[in-house]
Amino acid sequence: EAGVAQSPRYKIIEKRQSVAFWCNPISGHATLYWYQQILGQGPKLLIQFQNNGVVDDSQLPKDRFSAERLKGVDSTLKIQPAKLEDSAVYLCASSSAGTSGMNEQFFGPGTRLTVL
Amino acid sequence: DQQVKQNSPSLSVQEGRISILNCDYTNSMFDYFLWYKKYPAEGPTFLISISSIKDKNEDGRFTVFLNKSAKHLSLHIVPSQPGDSAVYFCAGGRKNFNKFYFGSGTKLNVKP
Repeated sequence: EAGVAQSPRYKIIEKRQSVAFWCNPISGHATLYWYQQILGQGPKLLIQFQNNGVVDDSQLPKDRFSAERLKGVDSTLKIQPAKLEDSAVYLCASSSAGTSGMNEQFFGPGTRLTVL
Repeated sequence: DQQVKQNSPSLSVQEGRISILNCDYTNSMFDYFLWYKKYPAEGPTFLISISSIKDKNEDGRFTVFLNKSAKHLSLHIVPSQPGDSAVYFCAGGRKNFNKFYFGSGTKLNVKP
């Protein structure tokens, strides 16, 4: 079974530029999550999708962050414009919890974003 | 507002001995807890979970204990192996919401 795929693995941009991250979850997983992990902290949930609908985006800074999951499969997270404090690892995770009741989340390798 | 806390940033243990990693939570509505292990440059991988209807769950060398009255859980690794050296994250939440809050992690170093 293929795992959660993310790209790119690393990205360096200057502040006020835009950036986009891509995630392809495990096949058949209905629930998809985007997390932000700042150095020394645990992952913080940004947005949770169930199929192609948003379940929770209460911690997404909507003035600059946006995410979509068209067709309920892969997802894109965008930051526009980036700030210095957005430097972090962005983790995507998927889960079959919506259908199987199993709450285990499978994480991708993450995208390390550096904003200069 | 940290609902899950791991107060020990690091732990060093000798190979073969027991590793005990601790986690506290503040939300009494949480009914499901998970532990994840993370190696550098990789995403976290699921290790073990426990539902609030249990006070213990065991999987091989890994055992998680839950003390609901103290809002405290711990992960025991026996015996510890050098390959267990990683950052361990505790997460808790409400199972039906499929949304979990993570602690800040404990870096475990198992010395040969």
